[in-house]
Amino acid sequence: QKEVEQNSGPLSVPEGAIASLNCTYSDRGSQSFFWYRQYSGKSPELIMSIYSNGDKEDGRFTAQLNKASQYVSLLIRDSQPSDSATYLCAVNSGYSTLTFGKGTMLLVSP
Amino acid sequence: DAGVIQSPRHEVTEMGQEVTLRCKPISGHNSLFWYRQTMMRGLELLIYFNNNVPIDDSGMPEDRFSAKMPNASFSTLKIQPSEPRDSAVYFCASSEQNRGPYEQYFGPGTRLTVT
Repeated sequence: QKEVEQNSGPLSVPEGAIASLNCTYSDRGSQSFFWYRQYSGKSPELIMSIYSNGDKEDGRFTAQLNKASQYVSLLIRDSQPSDSATYLCAVNSGYSTLTFGKGTMLLVSP
Repeated sequence: DAGVIQSPRHEVTEMGQEVTLRCKPISGHNSLFWYRQTMMRGLELLIYFNNNVPIDDSGMPEDRFSAKMPNASFSTLKIQPSEPRDSAVYFCASSEQNRGPYEQYFGPGTRLTVT
């Protein structure tokens, strides 16, 4: 059973701070990793993807991957109240499907 | 480009009734996924199609659930008969599998309430 684990939160950070969201996965053969953002009552929105060890930056977002530790993280710099949402980690293991974590709720206070 | 389209957006029905959810994937995408999301279980994959062919339906909870994809631009998820425990948000997602790396794009979802 492939598993993706996330702390459910909520993770509370003040506006302007760095939010750090973490995810671990069980399948060592996993190849592609994704972060989705889901606002309350909305659908998941793809915000970052990462495929190789190291960091990938896109604007205020940085995804970090460590395959040896089976760990992927998402950093959000200069957090804004509009970043308040649930962040879902998803892992692809060589087939067409993704396994999703249950998500971490992020609350950014003004 | 239009994203994934789902209908209806909300459905309220009584136990025992048939429910049909509809999805139009992004044009050019050849894989389609049906998910169910609840607070308790999170996002669960029900079934997925590749080139209109069902590949894995192991996530379909019971025989009451069925899904079809008659062509590349349309899919349905049917529940017959519906039960209160089927109440959830159902998402359809699509991706372009030929190229990888399997990024999926979600529709707005159908919120189903079975009373």
